[in-house]
Amino acid sequence: QVKLLQSGAELVKPGASVKLSCKTSGFTFSTSYMSWLKQVPGPSIEWIGWIYAGDGGTNYNQKFKGKATLTVDKSSSTAYMDLSSLTSEDAAVYFCARDSAYWGQGTLVTVSS
Amino acid sequence: DIVMTQAPLSVSVTPGESASISCRSSKSLLHSNGITYVYWYLQKPGKSPQLLIYRMSNLASGVPDRFSGSGSETDFTLKISRVEAEDVGIYYCGQLLENPYTFGAGTKLELK
Repeated sequence: QVKLLQSGAELVKPGASVKLSCKTSGFTFSTSYMSWLKQVPGPSIEWIGWIYAGDGGTNYNQKFKGKATLTVDKSSSTAYMDLSSLTSEDAAVYFCARDSAYWGQGTLVTVSS
Repeated sequence: DIVMTQAPLSVSVTPGESASISCRSSKSLLHSNGITYVYWYLQKPGKSPQLLIYRMSNLASGVPDRFSGSGSETDFTLKISRVEAEDVGIYYCGQLLENPYTFGAGTKLELK
């Protein structure tokens, strides 16, 4: 069945970067749109963007341009998201999702010195 | 950005009864291809969101047919008939018509 397994929780210092991963199985990765979303207590969900695994084409929420960079590794059916110059505003749970239908379990990112 | 407004913020339901959640978009979600790009998700406590309804009225795979979605171009309803204990959680509507995709603030469903 469809599985999306995200990397573990991260504790990151302000100003640093972090790379989150989302390893997938159970479907054809190369023809999928992989989205990333952010959830903070409130609760609220923000869409960061998607990447088409077939050709690496991306579509970003303007708000996250310069903050998030989406990539994929087709050989391992894994999607990645780099978050740069982290601040307290970036502390959240981040989800990957396939075609907005199947979601990973989420990765908690804490930003603290 | 398209704003998605949900109501109510919370609802308390007796098991076996029905519940409805409303969602309004600030812009029509009807694409020229005839598809209305509104989606419904349920986030159970401590879990990631799961897709319930896609493209306004289509039941996602594995979702009980107690769930149904309906609406117009800007007003949408998720109905849950015969509410069960496993339906507890936060329900979100979302629009996947245009960038940026946006979501409502959520409706918390709890049991009486």
